Parts: sequence; structure tokens; C-alpha cells
Amino acid sequence: NAGVTQTPKFQVLKTGQSMTLQCAQDMNHEYMSWYRQDPGMGLRLIHYSVGAGITDQGEVPNGYNVSRSTTEDFPLRLLSAAPSQTSVYFCASGNLGGYTFGSGTRLTVV
Amino acid sequence: AQSVTQLGSHVSVSEGALVLLRCNYSSSVPPYLFWYVQYPNQGLQLLLKYTTGATLVKGINGFEAEFKKSETSFHLTKPSAHMSDAAEYFCAVSLGGSARQLTFGSGTQLTVLP
Repeated sequence: NAGVTQTPKFQVLKTGQSMTLQCAQDMNHEYMSWYRQDPGMGLRLIHYSVGAGITDQGEVPNGYNVSRSTTEDFPLRLLSAAPSQTSVYFCASGNLGGYTFGSGTRLTVV
Repeated sequence: AQSVTQLGSHVSVSEGALVLLRCNYSSSVPPYLFWYVQYPNQGLQLLLKYTTGATLVKGINGFEAEFKKSETSFHLTKPSAHMSDAAEYFCAVSLGGSARQLTFGSGTQLTVLP
């Protein structure tokens, strides 16, 4: 089925560990983005990309890196995990007609 | 820059009653406006959107919203609530063009009482 695929669905990390959250879309969208969702705060934009090779920072970029080597993939890297990065992470792709979200990755940093 | 305010973090209605979820936005240019719904442990699903044209937009599951520029509002309504409508609802704004990133409100949890 067409859509946005995120892996893994759940992850527990120790403080200081690094990891990559994967995001792939098969709708040929140029625009992709990463959000984190925390209770009472809605979704906050971490990084976004308007096409392969182009990325930019969102509202809360510190502690995260992204790259966009292909149209389909937009991985999010946590360089040195901190407890403050415990959250649910959503990847989205789309255009002005609307955005499709993945099912999320629930990350716990202990 | 743009921002979104959702009035009421929790709203309860009886089954069959009117649903009204409030959203006000701030934008320096004509905005694109969205409502998303999130069911427990799931991603976000687009309910409806306003980009240009008709200010009353209809979405899925019987929801609709009206863009009111003078009031900078985009409230979500449904004439008759159903138990399956219980979820969290997010209003979002985009400036469009090259600034396509969405800015979300903090969300409204809708409870439907039997």
C-alpha cells in the first residue's frame, strides 16, 4: 500500500547512544518532514526537506541530524540520545494538497 | 511566521450532539489550513483542508470547517457526534509555496459520552 513507512515502531535507548529512525515514502513527494509529539504540545517540526539533497531546520532541531539522498528516504539521526528526546516521532510527506503521516516511532531514552 | 491556537484541550459531548472544536490562526499571508485526527496509538489522518476557493470545506466522516478570514478562525464542526469520533484533533497551518511546513496547534481531545 502506498504511504509513509516508519521503522522501528518502538525503541528504548540508553543515554548517550545513537540511532537512526527510518522513513520511506512511495508517493514521489518532494516534501518530507519529521515531527515529535509530546503531551499537550501538539507536533513540533524537527527538520524538513523540499527535495533530494535539500534539508532545513524546523522548530526543535537540536540533537538531531537528517539527510536526503533520495526522494524516497528521509532518515532522522539521534547523535547522542538524551532523556529529553523521549517522545513519539512522526515522519510526513506530501504537498499543499495534504500531508501523509507515518504510524510513528515511540522512543524512550533511559 | 504562523501559529495556531486550539481553544479547549478537552471537549466532551453527548452522542448525537453537535461537535464544535475551535481553531484560531495567525499568519502573515493567506494560509493553508488543515484538520487532522489521531486515534490512540496511530498516526495522523487528514480530515479536511482549506487552500483556496470555497470557505466552507467538507471532509471525511461528516466533518466540515469554515475559513473565516475576518475572525482568523477555522473551527471544525459535525452536526451529530458518534462514539467513533472520540480521538484527538489537531488544527494546522501552512504558509504554502516554499514554506510548506505545517505548524500544529496543541490538540483537542474529544470525548463522546453515551
